[in-house]
Amino acid sequence: QQQVKQSPQSLIVQKGGISIINCAYENTAFDYFPWYQQFPGKGPALLIAIRPDVSEKKEGRFTISFNKSAKQFSLHIMDSQPGDSATYFCAASPHDYKLSFGAGTTVTVRA
Amino acid sequence: ETGVTQSPTHLIKTRGQQVTLRCSSQSGHNTVSWYQQALGQGPQFIFQYYREEENGRGNFPPRFSGLQFPNYSSELNVNALELDDSALYLCASSSGLAGATRTDTQYFGPGTRLTVL
Repeated sequence: QQQVKQSPQSLIVQKGGISIINCAYENTAFDYFPWYQQFPGKGPALLIAIRPDVSEKKEGRFTISFNKSAKQFSLHIMDSQPGDSATYFCAASPHDYKLSFGAGTTVTVRA
Repeated sequence: ETGVTQSPTHLIKTRGQQVTLRCSSQSGHNTVSWYQQALGQGPQFIFQYYREEENGRGNFPPRFSGLQFPNYSSELNVNALELDDSALYLCASSSGLAGATRTDTQYFGPGTRLTVL
């Protein structure tokens, strides 16, 4: 049973464009929502994370938007670059950091 | 500060065999979690160790077992391998679950690619 649902499965964006990935969850015990970036043959690397007491967090070109009432959160990648081409995973966990991951979104940035 | 390391990088086994995968935590981290990532899917939580004790387990059978050592390195053991065990096995470390050492960040290693034939 997938506890975190992620969409789309893949997306293609032009260089300089905006990539948007959406996730939804059901478990109200979740209180930590990280996004990970993974390149082929590598482990996931933490990009940015948010807790439900804030609705938005921005770090550089990456922004998380969080809607607690809808139990949804999203990642926006602004000014997408070819180096951003990777698979992105949303995840969620309760306070004990046992992460439940989404199925992943493969992002391709066209030059 | 050294990162999370895992060994071996790749491994090929046959059905029914046993395998041991190893993980060295990032310096100062006392919590290790193991995940299984099948091809094209997100990682699935296997179990977590905190200060050498198992601290929760995902939906994996008992033939998946683990250990954490006093230096906080860890092992994942899988007995009676099945074809579906073919996956990338990831470990992630963090610096604690509570108190002053608690951190939100889990650092993942590069993984061990296990192929079961």
